[in-house]
Amino acid sequence: KQEVTQIPAALSVPEGENLVLNCSFTDSAIYNLQWFRQDPGKGLTSLLLIQSSQREQTSGRLNASLDKSSGRSTLYIAASQPGDSATYLCAVRLVTGANSKLTFGKGITLSVRP
Amino acid sequence: GAGVSQSPSNKVTEKGKDVELRCDPISGHTALYWYRQSLGQGLEFLIYFQGNSAPDKSGLPSDRFSAERTGGSVSTLTIQRTQQEDSAVYLCASSSPPPYTEAFFGQGTRLTVV
Repeated sequence: KQEVTQIPAALSVPEGENLVLNCSFTDSAIYNLQWFRQDPGKGLTSLLLIQSSQREQTSGRLNASLDKSSGRSTLYIAASQPGDSATYLCAVRLVTGANSKLTFGKGITLSVRP
Repeated sequence: GAGVSQSPSNKVTEKGKDVELRCDPISGHTALYWYRQSLGQGLEFLIYFQGNSAPDKSGLPSDRFSAERTGGSVSTLTIQRTQQEDSAVYLCASSSPPPYTEAFFGQGTRLTVV
C-alpha cells in the first residue's frame, strides 16, 4: 500500500526566505507526482506535475524535484511571500494506471510572516 | 466548463436524511474522482470513474455511500441515512487524458450533518 509522508506538518518562515517542502512515498513504482496548494476553505489548486521519467519541473518561483529511487520529492519556493501561506500537499499516482487514484500526504501548512 | 464545478457548495442536513452531491468535470476529462476531507485530516479517496464505469470504488466507507456517472460527464455522490461522522468536505477531481494525467479539483461541498 502506497503511503505518502510530509514532514513537518507546519512551518513558519519570515518573508523572503527560500524554503524546501519535503514529500516521501513508500512505493517507487509511480506514474507521476503532483503538488497542490490548498487555501483555507477552498479546493486544491494544482501547482506542478512531474512525470516518473522527469527529474524536475519549474513554474515561476516554484521548482519541484523527483527522486523516484529514493521515494522523495521536494518543492522549492524561492523568495517566499505572505501570499504563499497555505497548505501544500503532494500526491502520487501509481504506475498501475495512468488514471489510477492519487494518494495524498497530509500536507504542510506554511505560514510566511511579513 | 473552465474548471471542475461542484454543487451545492454547502449543505446542512439532518441526521438520517439522504443527500446528493454533484460534480461537473472539465470537458473532455474521462477520469473523475471523489475524495473526502474531514476536519484536520488528509484527503481520503472514495471512488474513481473512467467514463461511466467505476474501476475502483475501494474507498467508499459503507453501503450508505454510492456514486454514479452519466454520459461520461456529470457525477453524483449519494449518501443515504446520513450520520454525523459523514460531516466533511467532499471534493471532486477530473484528470486530463494520458500521458499527462494532471488532476484538477473543484471547490468542494461542505456537508454538515446535524
